[in-house]
Amino acid sequence: DGGITQSPKYLFRKEGQNVTLSCEQNLNHDAMYWYRQDPGQGLRLIYYSQIVNDFQKGDIAEGYSVSREKKESFPLTVTSAQKNPTAFYLCASSADRGGTNEKLFFGSGTQLSVL
Amino acid sequence: AQSVTQPDIHITVSEGASLELRCNYSYGATPYLFWYVQSPGQGLQLLLKYFSGDTLVQGIKGFEAEFKRSQSSFNLRKPSVHWSDAAEYFCAVATPYQAGTALIFGKGTTLSVSS
Repeated sequence: DGGITQSPKYLFRKEGQNVTLSCEQNLNHDAMYWYRQDPGQGLRLIYYSQIVNDFQKGDIAEGYSVSREKKESFPLTVTSAQKNPTAFYLCASSADRGGTNEKLFFGSGTQLSVL
Repeated sequence: AQSVTQPDIHITVSEGASLELRCNYSYGATPYLFWYVQSPGQGLQLLLKYFSGDTLVQGIKGFEAEFKRSQSSFNLRKPSVHWSDAAEYFCAVATPYQAGTALIFGKGTTLSVSS
């Protein structure tokens, strides 16, 4: 089945530690996105990538980093500079990289908590 | 800047009653509008979208939404709610970013269904 896989489902971070959230898609989509979801805040865009080896900052990129070395993969690293990392992180992809985002496909999310 | 407002944080509807979830957007040009639904701990699923043409759009699961440019609104409706509709609902608008587009989400409306 085609889709987006996020792992792990639950992740815990210690103080001062970097952690990486995985996002893999087998939909052959060009565009991929990372959103952060906090209760009552909706989804906020962290980073997005329209094509391999290129990515752009979203609204809340500080304290995060990404890479896009392969079309299928868009990992998100939550660095120690992100002082409030506890949130639900959603990865999404779209076949439409420059137009209307006709349809975003979402992964099932990763809940990140701080120990 | 583009934005989406969902005025209702939480709505409770009796099973079998009608539903309307409100969404207002701020966008200078013709917007591309979406409604997504999220079950607890899961990713988002697209219910319906509006790009152009008929202002009343039909979606999955019996949902529909009406685009009203004069009111900058895109309200979601369902004539008869089922208990399985209990979830969080997000309105979103596609907005241009530096190298493409991304979705801006409202903060969401949580729907509870009472028996």
